[in-house]
Amino acid sequence: RKEVEQDPGPFNVPEGATVAFNCTYSNSASQSFFWYRQDCRKEPKLLMSVYSSGNEDGRFTAQLNRASQYISLLIRDSKLSDSATYLCVVRGRGYQKVTFGIGTKLQVIP
Amino acid sequence: GAGVSQSPSNKVTEKGKDVELRCDPISGHTALYWYRQSLGQGLEFLIYFQGNSAPDKSGLPSDRFSAERTGGSVSTLTIQRTQQEDSAVYLCASSLALPSGGTDTQYFGPGTRLTVL
Repeated sequence: RKEVEQDPGPFNVPEGATVAFNCTYSNSASQSFFWYRQDCRKEPKLLMSVYSSGNEDGRFTAQLNRASQYISLLIRDSKLSDSATYLCVVRGRGYQKVTFGIGTKLQVIP
Repeated sequence: GAGVSQSPSNKVTEKGKDVELRCDPISGHTALYWYRQSLGQGLEFLIYFQGNSAPDKSGLPSDRFSAERTGGSVSTLTIQRTQQEDSAVYLCASSLALPSGGTDTQYFGPGTRLTVL
């Protein structure tokens, strides 16, 4: 089993739609979780950290479910500019290496 | 302020040649990571530096790959006797080390696109 698993998609959604991605991780000792965004032929950039209580940043909501070992990202009112690949990132306790998922590709259609 | 920079941005080489890829991290960032990303694939961890030491080299795919970091700043990834399967984008990231022992957000450079003919 991969350390971090994501559905690669693509998810094709119309503008204004709500879309959600899940990511599962295998190491129950994982401590920190993030969502990164990667545009085509660009480097990944941090979108948001994921906190145990869940957190929201504008149209984006991230949640963590430790019992089931998954994190989620919800995007409301999708914009064309949201089209990108969303990478799930997991880091262990006191261990510097982070593990990236393969990414989920989102295409928002006019 | 200046972000992470990498050079060259593109490198085309012939099979069997050696290449050196350079990463300049954000000033003050003690942690530095190398990843590679093949076309349509996720990020593959290669090596992590804390200061000048590399506590985790587990991701280096073979002994043809090596990396060093000097002065706690610039890092060089060297690939010897390149093979066609080495073709990928090589990404460098840096971050602060936190007092808790963890590291802060990783900031990525633009990458070096390596093509081995």
